[in-house]
Amino acid sequence: AAGVIQSPRHLIKEKRETATLKCYPIPRHDTVYWYQQGPGQDPQFLISFYEKMQSDKGSIPDRFSAQQFSDYHSELNMSSLELGDSALYFCASSPDGENEKLFFGSGTQLSVL
Amino acid sequence: SQQGEEDPQALSIQEGENATMNCSYKTSINNLQWYRQNSGRGLVHLILIRSNEREKHSGRLRVTLDTSKKSSSLLITASRAADTASYFCATDASWGNNNDMRFGAGTRLTVKP
Repeated sequence: AAGVIQSPRHLIKEKRETATLKCYPIPRHDTVYWYQQGPGQDPQFLISFYEKMQSDKGSIPDRFSAQQFSDYHSELNMSSLELGDSALYFCASSPDGENEKLFFGSGTQLSVL
Repeated sequence: SQQGEEDPQALSIQEGENATMNCSYKTSINNLQWYRQNSGRGLVHLILIRSNEREKHSGRLRVTLDTSKKSSSLLITASRAADTASYFCATDASWGNNNDMRFGAGTRLTVKP
């Protein structure tokens, strides 16, 4: 069965650079979530989209933005990267907008040097 | 964490023993879910319990929910070495646009063979 696909799997950037992470949800899933997970930390909710519209916003810095496109894939754009942005970034999708079961991708490991 | 604390933070047991993990949360909820995460991997949904339910079973998993105390517990019976992972609870708040799943701090479970 198709799963949530994230790319790239690993990304290395320097301070003040920009990064774009991509997420392809499971087909027919209409809700996408983005999470940031630092080492040994719990996943921190960043932002979510339902039917291509921004739905909820969590701890997302102003330097980050995200959008969901007409084909339902989503991108997380990160600018002016800081060392503290180094983390595992997960995308998850769920059907029906009901938050009853999130399917997670394998994540993008971002390292900011 | 964005939602609550989990207790204990780390748990080490022998194979065959039972493991109990607890989670507390802060807001009113529609449902509470438990997820499992192997190191550096995406989270995997285990079980969901709705706010009007008190107990739920799935295989070796038993989840309880006490909405008056805003707490939940996950019991894994007859543990196996393969159960070694981090376990997180996540809550779907009953307010807002409803695509906002918040995770607790997680319990790191080690099952020794």
